[in-house]
Amino acid sequence: SAVISQKPSRDICQRGTSLTIQCQVDSQVTMMFWYRQQPGQSLTLIATANQGSEATYESGFVIDKFPISRPNLTFSTLTVSNMSPEDSSIYLCSTLARRRNEQFFGPGTRLTVL
Amino acid sequence: SQQGEEDPQALSIQEGENATMNCSYKTSINNLQWYRQNSGRGLVHLILIRSNEREKHSGRLRVTLDTSKKSSSLLITASRAADTASYFCATDAQGGSEKLVFGKGTKLTVNP
Repeated sequence: SAVISQKPSRDICQRGTSLTIQCQVDSQVTMMFWYRQQPGQSLTLIATANQGSEATYESGFVIDKFPISRPNLTFSTLTVSNMSPEDSSIYLCSTLARRRNEQFFGPGTRLTVL
Repeated sequence: SQQGEEDPQALSIQEGENATMNCSYKTSINNLQWYRQNSGRGLVHLILIRSNEREKHSGRLRVTLDTSKKSSSLLITASRAADTASYFCATDAQGGSEKLVFGKGTKLTVNP
């Protein structure tokens, strides 16, 4: 299985600011995914990030609010822009173990917006 | 879009008892995965079951899949306090989509 790390593990931010979350995988992967988990809720897919192309966003999520970078096959960033308290969530990145179709997750970034 | 629904939403049992959690979904799938999440941390992958499989085991875990009923169950036998966590099912879609749709989860508490 892939080993995935995320930075920061948690942060407390002020309204109106932006935070960039980093996701690092220990092996080259084609697809990376970003999810949001609001307090007490399940996970919702924000976007799919492929290296060398624009991220594909799910309904309800837009690039201006959640810009994503995917500069190489082991790394991606998600920025939460112009934050409001409603953005307080856990943000998780994931990737596929291609041969077995299993999807593995990073430890998550717990974001609190005041 | 398809959506997994787990039941029960919350389950409290004593150590040593078995815990059964169920998941239902709405559309055809390639596979279904179960995850565990401890106290709002990252998700731990437990098991993947393919649409052509009916049952799968991993240690104390047993997963069943009934594609005719569009449902799956996760059984944890001889539960331990360390099994206390939220458990989620996640499905993908036939047609090759790697995107996962998660159920709402079951919060399991195992009392020592």
